[in-house]
Amino acid sequence: EDQVTQSPEALRLQEGESSSLNCSYTVSGLRGLFWYRQDPGKGPEFLFTLYSAGEEKEKERLKATLTKKESFLHITAPKPEDSATYLCAVQAVGGSYIPTFGRGTSLIVHP
Amino acid sequence: EAQVTQNPRYLITVTGKKLTVTCSQNMNHEYMSWYRQDPGLGLRQIYYSMNVEATDKGDVPEGYKVSRKEKRNFPLILESPSPNQTSLYFCASSANRGRPYNEQFFGPGTRLTVL
Repeated sequence: EDQVTQSPEALRLQEGESSSLNCSYTVSGLRGLFWYRQDPGKGPEFLFTLYSAGEEKEKERLKATLTKKESFLHITAPKPEDSATYLCAVQAVGGSYIPTFGRGTSLIVHP
Repeated sequence: EAQVTQNPRYLITVTGKKLTVTCSQNMNHEYMSWYRQDPGLGLRQIYYSMNVEATDKGDVPEGYKVSRKEKRNFPLILESPSPNQTSLYFCASSANRGRPYNEQFFGPGTRLTVL
């Protein structure tokens, strides 16, 4: 059974204080790993897709990396507007297209 | 504006009263899906559709039905809602270019309460 564990569950940072969110996964074979951002009362917003170990993607203050067992979302010099819940999901190789989502990390950035 | 719309956004109903939550996308996406989001459980897929007239079960399909008669619409039907279907529901779509989960666009959500 595919599993995705995100840590920490919640993270409070001061503006400018860089940190990383972790997504550990267990799948028989990885088709893709996805990061989403979700603001309160809204639907998730796509951030990145990573397909293979060693791959990295960046967008503004966010950088996602992937190894064979986990992914990190690095947040450099965060701003209050980066406050949100960050969701990680994986899709396994095989006939099913059902993704497995983690429970998310709630990030609060204080000014 | 490219978007996924859902209606209604909020719904309070009673056990057993059939309801439909509509979902529509204007991006000509082949792939559409429905999720429910519950505290402590994360997002779980209910049903998905690879294209018109092609639907399949997700992780938690019991108690739900879907149809895909048109490319842009993917309604979620609860024939006989029960209190355990109280949840926040999201519709999503993406272009199926061999990787249907790449960049899913999510709707704003429908908060359903079944009394």
